[in-house]
Amino acid sequence: QKEVEQNSGPLSVPEGAIASLNCTYSDRGSQSFFWYRQYSGKSPELIMFIYSNGDKEDGRFTAQLNKASQYVSLLIRDSQPSDSATYLCAVMDSSYKLIFGSGTRLLVRP
Amino acid sequence: SQTIHQWPATLVQPVGSPLSLECTVEGTSNPNLYWYRQAAGRGLQLLFYSVGIGQISSEVPQNLSASRPQDRQFILSSKKLLLSDSGFYLCAWSLRSNQPQHFGDGTRLSIL
Repeated sequence: QKEVEQNSGPLSVPEGAIASLNCTYSDRGSQSFFWYRQYSGKSPELIMFIYSNGDKEDGRFTAQLNKASQYVSLLIRDSQPSDSATYLCAVMDSSYKLIFGSGTRLLVRP
Repeated sequence: SQTIHQWPATLVQPVGSPLSLECTVEGTSNPNLYWYRQAAGRGLQLLFYSVGIGQISSEVPQNLSASRPQDRQFILSSKKLLLSDSGFYLCAWSLRSNQPQHFGDGTRLSIL
């Protein structure tokens, strides 16, 4: 069974720090990788996607992908209290199905 | 730009009653459409997806069905709801199968 694993957290960081969120996946045939942010009671919002090994930066967010290690991460620089949410890692398998992790809850302390 | 509408936002239904949730997308043609369910504290589970009118693929055997009567309309239905059908139902769209998916606001369904 294809799996996407995330630490449930909460990951607690002080305001202004770098938050590092991690995700591992089991399917070596996975092609695309996504990070969604989900505030409590709300629907997921796409914040980053990455297709190739290496880093991809968008504002305060950096997605990192290492296909050999089957590992994807999200870095949030200069964390703000408004970044407090659950972050869902999603992996698209070889049949274009999105497999979601159960999410990591991030808490940014003022 | 594309927008996705999903309603109702919340729904409370008795066990054994029927269900109809609707989702529409604006601003694009022939999108891929998806229905997910999120149980409390858990990840999203894909229920159905559609790549075109009348084309529905089911991911898990269950008490639910889906239909796509129009290009940008996706409906989730049940004839008789079970307690286990409670959850947060999310509709999503993408331009193509390998493209990012974007979610509607969701419907929180409670079964009594």
